[in-house]
Parts: sequence; structure tokens; C-alpha cells
Amino acid sequence: GAGVSQSPRYKVAKRGQDVALRCDPISGHVSLFWYQQALGQGPEFLTYFQNEAQLDKSGLPSDRFFAERPEGSVSTLKIQRTQQEDSAVYLCASSARRGGGQETQYFGPGTRLLVL
Amino acid sequence: AQSVTQLDSHVSVSEGTPVLLRCNYSSSYSPSLFWYVQHPNKGLQLLLKYTSAATLVKGINGFEAEFKKSETSFHLTKPSAHMSDAAEYFCVVSYSSASKIIFGSGTRLSIRP
Repeated sequence: GAGVSQSPRYKVAKRGQDVALRCDPISGHVSLFWYQQALGQGPEFLTYFQNEAQLDKSGLPSDRFFAERPEGSVSTLKIQRTQQEDSAVYLCASSARRGGGQETQYFGPGTRLLVL
Repeated sequence: AQSVTQLDSHVSVSEGTPVLLRCNYSSSYSPSLFWYVQHPNKGLQLLLKYTSAATLVKGINGFEAEFKKSETSFHLTKPSAHMSDAAEYFCVVSYSSASKIIFGSGTRLSIRP
């Protein structure tokens, strides 16, 4: 079956512009995660959904970042008033059951965001 | 605090020689440990995972890792490197009580012909 997909793959935004990044998880997967990967670094956790409930948003760097998963499948990460420091690859992952512990996460290809 | 440390940012080996990528984790309580590989412009792919069963874990593409509790280590090895192994490798730790996983900073593996 299809893996995790993300769109767009690349996004160039002017500073101050709002952006929306989409994630389509593997069908039927309960958990969905967003990560931010800065250049040359490992991914860092942003937020976690179990179905439509956002159970952990401790990694969101500021109130400009907002994520939703209204029907428990597709998720959108929105960044308002983008800043240059938001430039990174945004990764989405899903897992079959609840997050954490022994669950394997399956990653999408990422959205590379460049803020000018 | 929960953490994972990859001891080498870059490892270079010759094709056909062994590979060793080192990883240490903090030992708050029983972790699950993973190795992921990231090829350029591709998504992260799971190589292998340890979940408190056998301490020697075999993964895809000939990779394996050994969980050593006394050393809090989970080093990744492969007997013979192939050119296609050139990529970024991430050691990842997860704890049963937490929803998130924690990535190491990554090790870039280069293969010399």
C-alpha cells in the first residue's frame, strides 16, 4: 500500500507569509507525528495526534505554529507569519497504534521550507 | 532527561570493510531503540529496532545492532560496506511512558571505492 505522503515537497515563502503543509498518513494509522529537521541535524519532535486528538504539542516552537487533524486522517501543519529561522524540512510520520514505546513510525519524504 | 548521543558526526570506510556507527542513550528506564537511515531527498527508513527481546537485532541490508545495557549502547554494524550504504544514519530512543521519540544528531556514512 501507499506510504506516508507530504505536500508540497518544496515551499519558498517570503518572511511574514503564512504556509500550510499537508500530511497523508498510511491509511488506518492511529498516530501521527510532526518533526522539524534543521540542516545538518536530527529531526526534532513538534506534535503528536492520536486519531483527531492532539495529545502532545510540547515541541511546537511558538504560537505561530498550529497543527490539526480534524477527521483523524490527513493532518495540516500551519505556520503563521513565517520567519527565516522556520526554514527546515518538516517531516510527518504515522504509526499503526498509539505513539511511543515499541511502535515503529513510518516517515514521509518531508516538505523543505525556505523562508526568504 | 531522556537523550541519545551519536558519537561520530561522520564516518568514512572503504567498500568491503566493516562499518561501526556508535550510539549511547540515557538510561532512565527501559528504552526501545531504533536505527533509521536517510538517503538524500528520501524519507527516513527503519533499519532495525530493539524492544527488549533478543539483545542482538538483525535489520535490513545486512545491518545489525547489539543492545548493551551495562554500557548503555546500541551500536550499528555491518560486516562489509557497499557503495549504496552511503547515507545519514540516526539512532533513536523511545520510552514506553512517552508519546514521542528522540533522535540523535546523525552520523553521515561515506563509502570510499
